[in-house]
Formats: sequence, C-alpha cells, structure tokens
Amino acid sequence: TQLLEQSPQFLSIQEGENLTVYCNSSSVFSSLQWYRQEPGEGPVLLVTVVTGGEVKKLKRLTFQFGDARKDSSLHITAAQPGDTGLYLCALFGGYQKVTFGTGTKLQVIP
Amino acid sequence: DVKVTQSSRYLVKRTGEKVFLECVQDMDHENMFWYRQDPGLGLRLIYFSYDVKMKEKGDIPEGYSVSREKKERFSLILESASTNQTSMYLCASRGTGGFEQYFGPGTRLTVT
Repeated sequence: TQLLEQSPQFLSIQEGENLTVYCNSSSVFSSLQWYRQEPGEGPVLLVTVVTGGEVKKLKRLTFQFGDARKDSSLHITAAQPGDTGLYLCALFGGYQKVTFGTGTKLQVIP
Repeated sequence: DVKVTQSSRYLVKRTGEKVFLECVQDMDHENMFWYRQDPGLGLRLIYFSYDVKMKEKGDIPEGYSVSREKKERFSLILESASTNQTSMYLCASRGTGGFEQYFGPGTRLTVT
C-alpha cells in the first residue's frame, strides 16, 4: 500500500505570513492532486500535477511536484483567513483508486 | 453546477442498528466512492463502484456493504453499527478518464 505522509499536521499562522506544506510518498507516483476541505464541506480539487519538476500556480498558491516524483509541496504566499481549511494531497493508485494523505490543518488568524 | 448530495448531514444511531447512507450525483459519472474521514488518518476508502451493480472493496471494507442499483445513486450500509464506526462519511464521484473527484458535504455519524 502506497503511503502519503503530510507535514506539518497542524499549522496556525497570522494573516499575511507565508507557509509551506509537504506531501511525501513511500514510492514513485505518476500524478498527484491537492484538495482543500473547508469546515463542514467535502474536499475540493485545487490542482493536479503530472510531470516531475512541474510547478503550478493558482493565485497565491504554488504547487510543486518533486523531480523524483515522490514528493510535492504547496506554498501559500500572504495567507488570508479564507485559506483556512484542511489541505490534502492525493494520488491515483490502481484501478480507479485514489489514496489520500493524512492532511494538514491550516488556521489563518486575522 | 455539478452536485453530489448526501441524505443526511448529521446522524445519531444506536449500537447494533442497521444504517443506510445515501449518495446521489447528477453528473452521469461512472465511478462512485465512499470514504470515512477521521482526525490524523485522512480519508480512507471503504468501497467504490465503477458501474451499476459493480463494486470493489477499498482499504477498510469490514463492517460495511454497498449497493448501486442506479448509476446516480450509491448507498453505504452499516449492517450492525458499532461505536468505532463513529466518523465523518464522504461520498464522491468521478467520470471515467477524469482527474477530479467531486465530493458531497459529508455525513457525520455518531453511534452511541
């Protein structure tokens, strides 16, 4: 079973600060996704990365896929309270299955 | 606007009861999934279905069963609820060949 570890598990920062969360796999993966889940809601897809070394930007969020395709990071610049939520990385396994990471819970304090 | 709906947002059941959780999607997706979400464990796949009447076990199927009689509806059944099944249950759907899973809002089940 492929494992996805995310760090840190919890993060509480002030509005305007920068942060990075990490996702690491026990083995190489072909593509990886990042989801955000707001309290009381289901996760929503933010981005899919498929190429080693790929960098994608979504406004203040920057996603990077490691060259060795075993890790990924999400960097948020100038965090805002609306960024508060649970950030989940996920990867496609065999036959329609998606494996989710353990999650990073982010709180941005105004 | 795509939508996945779940029958209840909150549910309280007693130990030993049979529990039905319903999920409906309006996107004509072939694939549907049931996950449970617990703090520190992320989302764990219980069962998934890639077509009507077809189902596959996920990572933690013990104590659960599923039913998919119609393409748009996927039901999760707890045959005899136990306290360790207290959790958030999330349903999702995805089109074949698609990357994105669309999630419902979740059902928070408490078994007392």
